[in-house]
Amino acid sequence: QQPVQSPQAVILREGEDAVINCSSSKALYSVHWYRQKHGEAPVFLMILLKGGEQKGHEKISASFNEKKQQSSLYLTASQLSYSGTYFCGTVGSQGNLIFGKGTKLSVKP
Amino acid sequence: DADVTQTPRNRITKTGKRIMLECSQTKGHDRMYWYRQDPGLGLRLIYYSFDVKDINKGEISDGYSVSRQAQAKFSLSLESAIPNQTALYFCATSDFKGLAGMDNEQFFGPGTRLTVL
Repeated sequence: QQPVQSPQAVILREGEDAVINCSSSKALYSVHWYRQKHGEAPVFLMILLKGGEQKGHEKISASFNEKKQQSSLYLTASQLSYSGTYFCGTVGSQGNLIFGKGTKLSVKP
Repeated sequence: DADVTQTPRNRITKTGKRIMLECSQTKGHDRMYWYRQDPGLGLRLIYYSFDVKDINKGEISDGYSVSRQAQAKFSLSLESAIPNQTALYFCATSDFKGLAGMDNEQFFGPGTRLTVL
């Protein structure tokens, strides 16, 4: 079952913060986050494991709440380089990764 | 550098033609994947392979077939291409080290842009 991401798109000014949410209707053991810049391949950001663990990458951090079956990605003091589409992924029943539809983030000067 | 490569990078073909997209990796990973990306739909899994003898259908396998020729090579074929298979195709690899039911980060190739006329 495909995870649901929100919002679908967000526009920020440099220095502003944003939150991207990812939720699932099934129990989660881990959540992956990837970023894809325009015209490029997706690039791994982080994996969140069961246990409410938080992780960070640059000024990007994430949380994972397995009880609520959701993860949130926090982008702090956004930079122009943060622009792109962010995907969350959850592990399917056969160990494969199922991606959400993505959240397009645009950071303006 | 260990890498994931895809050939061709761009391809234009006609309806009904057979076409093969190739993926090679030098990362030494056992797991390989083929995804299709369409605007607004995210990355959808076509086929995946957890080792050379293991091939599994993904979410949207109809109209596609795959071949895992070696640990490093995973090819995707469109037996008879149709216009709605026009999309960006990504190959990815991963190395399983975690607990059962989990997966490690995936490394994506640069993509193949396929247009079916």
